[in-house]
Amino acid sequence: DAKTTQPPSMDCAEGRAANLPCNHSTISGNEYVYWYRQIHSQGPQYIIHGLKNNETNEMASLIITEDRKSSTLILPHATLRDTAVYYCIVRVLSGSARQLTFGSGTQLTVLP
Amino acid sequence: KAGVTQTPRYLIKTRGQQVTLSCSPISGHRSVSWYQQTPGQGLQFLFEYFSETQRNKGNFPGRFSGRQFSNSRSEMNVSTLELGDSALYLCASSLVLAGEEQFFGPGTRLTVL
Repeated sequence: DAKTTQPPSMDCAEGRAANLPCNHSTISGNEYVYWYRQIHSQGPQYIIHGLKNNETNEMASLIITEDRKSSTLILPHATLRDTAVYYCIVRVLSGSARQLTFGSGTQLTVLP
Repeated sequence: KAGVTQTPRYLIKTRGQQVTLSCSPISGHRSVSWYQQTPGQGLQFLFEYFSETQRNKGNFPGRFSGRQFSNSRSEMNVSTLELGDSALYLCASSLVLAGEEQFFGPGTRLTVL
């Protein structure tokens, strides 16, 4: 699976949008972009995933650049409960290496 | 519906012992994956089971093993425990093999003394 690069930490004011960037310049055509988050001492939580098009669900939006070399996760109205480590993962859904490969992630701190 | 459950939540063992951890996936989910999380190595994939068969395996020694039962519940076993096995062990379930969404349990915190 392609390697991802994320900033180690970010702050965001409560109620504002949190924009978390991710670089995946070596992504292959059949690799999806996934986002998970992990609140302290809990298991990771799935947020969203996409292949080429932008995606939105009740938690967040995922913006993938046209060349697919980077993406941004947007939490539209961050709350204190969104404080967590956010992981950007690229992953194929077939073949032998189908597991999630977590990097270091971004520690997002939402400030009151 | 109920989420992924893992038992026990906390466990303390001594070097050389063995341990068995249990995971019950979300009802209807047939794939179970196991991960190890440590401060130094982060989250690392151990193995994935589907239909009682190991389908995918990470880069861990043979002391780490697992199995899946016909009801999709899974267990993982670590034999001859080492201090470095102290970690949070996470189980994730998905509807199908390498499913698009993996749902994680709260984990089992293993401490090896």
